[in-house]
Amino acid sequence: KQEVTQIPAALSVPEGENLVLNCSFTDSAIYNLQWFRQDPGKGLTSLLLIQSSQREQTSGRLNASLDKSSGRSTLYIAASQPGDSATYLCAWPKAAGNKLTFGGGTRVLVKP
Amino acid sequence: NAGVMQNPRHLVRRRGQEARLRCSPMKGHSHVYWYRQLPEEGLKFMVYLQKENIIDESGMPKERFSAEFPKEGPSILRIQQVVRGDSAAYFCASSPRGQGEGYTFGSGTRLTVV
Repeated sequence: KQEVTQIPAALSVPEGENLVLNCSFTDSAIYNLQWFRQDPGKGLTSLLLIQSSQREQTSGRLNASLDKSSGRSTLYIAASQPGDSATYLCAWPKAAGNKLTFGGGTRVLVKP
Repeated sequence: NAGVMQNPRHLVRRRGQEARLRCSPMKGHSHVYWYRQLPEEGLKFMVYLQKENIIDESGMPKERFSAEFPKEGPSILRIQQVVRGDSAAYFCASSPRGQGEGYTFGSGTRLTVV
């Protein structure tokens, strides 16, 4: 059974500190990997999508890496801001069009 | 492109009533997925549909829940005879066919059963 683990489950940092969020999976047969953000009581916003053939993707202060051999993806958020406070979720399908399998999320609080 | 549209945003039903949740996928997306998020829990897959076909319903409860994605119109998630345990946020996502462009989620429908 494919398992997904996101570590840490919760993270509290002062503003300006870099954030490192980890996502690990037991099955390397993933099609791509997507990082989402969810604000309390809201839907999911897609942050970054990494194809299985890629090693990383960057968007502004966000960088996500993918290492299929070790079954890990890491989301880096540079120079965190209070507006970055949210729950961050990683998810992937096994093939194009397949359902997504989600991690449990990391709840981030950036204190001003 | 209006994105994935879900309505209603909030829905209150009394125990025993029916709940109908609607989802219009993004333009050009032919795959629709429904997920449920129970309070303080993660997102759980329910059902995956393409036009007029249910592809994977392995996450659907065996009773009272059904889903459809007709040739015309939005996808519908129907919950009959709702119970308090059905109270949750229901999210719809869509993706294009086999293009690896990722999944886009709607804002969700928050169902409260009283």
